[in-house]
Amino acid sequence: AQKVTQAQTEISVVEKEDVTLDCVYETRDTTYYLFWYKQPPSGELVFLIRRNSFDEQNEISGRYSWNFQKSTSSFNFTITASQVVDSAVYFCALSEAWLGGNKLVFGAGTILRVKS
Amino acid sequence: DGGITQSPKYLFRKEGQNVTLSCEQNLNHDAMYWYRQDPGQGLRLIYYSQIVNDFQKGDIAEGYSVSREKKESFPLTVTSAQKNPTAFYLCASREGATDTQYFGPGTRLTVL
Repeated sequence: AQKVTQAQTEISVVEKEDVTLDCVYETRDTTYYLFWYKQPPSGELVFLIRRNSFDEQNEISGRYSWNFQKSTSSFNFTITASQVVDSAVYFCALSEAWLGGNKLVFGAGTILRVKS
Repeated sequence: DGGITQSPKYLFRKEGQNVTLSCEQNLNHDAMYWYRQDPGQGLRLIYYSQIVNDFQKGDIAEGYSVSREKKESFPLTVTSAQKNPTAFYLCASREGATDTQYFGPGTRLTVL
């Protein structure tokens, strides 16, 4: 069965610090997608990034960057120069082929608190 | 604006009542999903619909029912058989080309 582990339950940092959120996954599939979502206090899940299992290039988007390493089954997320608005719960998810479509297997989430 | 809407935002239910949560999307996505989120936990799949008039049970379907009569709409009914329905419910639709799921704002259900 597929599984996603976010070992960090909660992280607190001071504004402008860099922070890395860890994600480790398990799958037997050779083709899969990995995702990160942000859940601010309002509750809506906001899509951040999707990564294909064949593409191990790291990606940077502004202050956000992602490090995908198949050898260690990890897909870590780094926020550079964190801001108070980054405070949220962050979920890592793995797609699983299911009944002709796909479903997402979510990690338990990491609560990020950024203090001013 | 394209997106997913859910209503109501907050819902209170008395024990023994059925309630229906609305989910509507105008993204022209075929697949739609319902998830449940409990405090401090990730999301768990309740039901999934790949196309109109078709739906499949997810990991925690007991006590819930759905319908998919229109592409845009995927309502979820929480029945009295659901023993612990107090939770945050999220609806999503999936973009076929990228397999990416996009989520609505959620409905917070509380049983009184």
